[in-house]
Amino acid sequence: DQQVKQNSPSLSVQEGRISILNCDYTNSMFDYFLWYKKYPAEGPTFLISISSIKDKNEDGRFTVFLNKSAKHLSLHIVPSQPGDSAVYFCAVMIKAAGNKLTFGGGTRVLVKP
Amino acid sequence: GAGVSQSPRYKVAKRGQDVALRCDPISGHVSLFWYQQALGQGPEFLTYFQNEAQLDKSGLPSDRFFAERPEGSVSTLKIQRTQQEDSAVYLCASSLSQGPSPLHFGNGTRLTVT
Repeated sequence: DQQVKQNSPSLSVQEGRISILNCDYTNSMFDYFLWYKKYPAEGPTFLISISSIKDKNEDGRFTVFLNKSAKHLSLHIVPSQPGDSAVYFCAVMIKAAGNKLTFGGGTRVLVKP
Repeated sequence: GAGVSQSPRYKVAKRGQDVALRCDPISGHVSLFWYQQALGQGPEFLTYFQNEAQLDKSGLPSDRFFAERPEGSVSTLKIQRTQQEDSAVYLCASSLSQGPSPLHFGNGTRLTVT
């Protein structure tokens, strides 16, 4: 059973517009949430995180929103840039269980110039 | 270097061969993780070390998979009698503390079993 789902395998957006990536999870015990970005032939790179005590965290062009009641988080990238073209993974953890992450299947983002 | 280093970058093994994959974490990082990433999927947890102690190996798919970190630094993931379904990218990650902190990933080892 998939505990973390990214239902959109791909997303295409025009440069300068907003990219919205979504992620759903099933276990309400998860209390720390992260987004990673991955370029081909490289390992995932940490982007932004949010704790379950917050519903929004912003870092420059990247904002993560958390809706605990819906078990849903999203990543907004605005404005999107061609260098943002990559695969994005959401990941979740239970803080008390250490840094063991459970990943979604990823969303491939293409930003068109 | 400053990042997590994995070697080899690519490994081709014939079915039935044993392989060993190496991970050099960031210096001083206490926690070390191994993940397996199949094509088109997200990384899946294999095992976790805190210093030299293997605290969780619940993700290892079979007893052919074995990981060690004898001195709390470099780690080796060994796969015995490789099978075609073992073909994947094996990612190593480390983090500074046990508490919630982002994992720093290496570039992975792509294993192809023929």
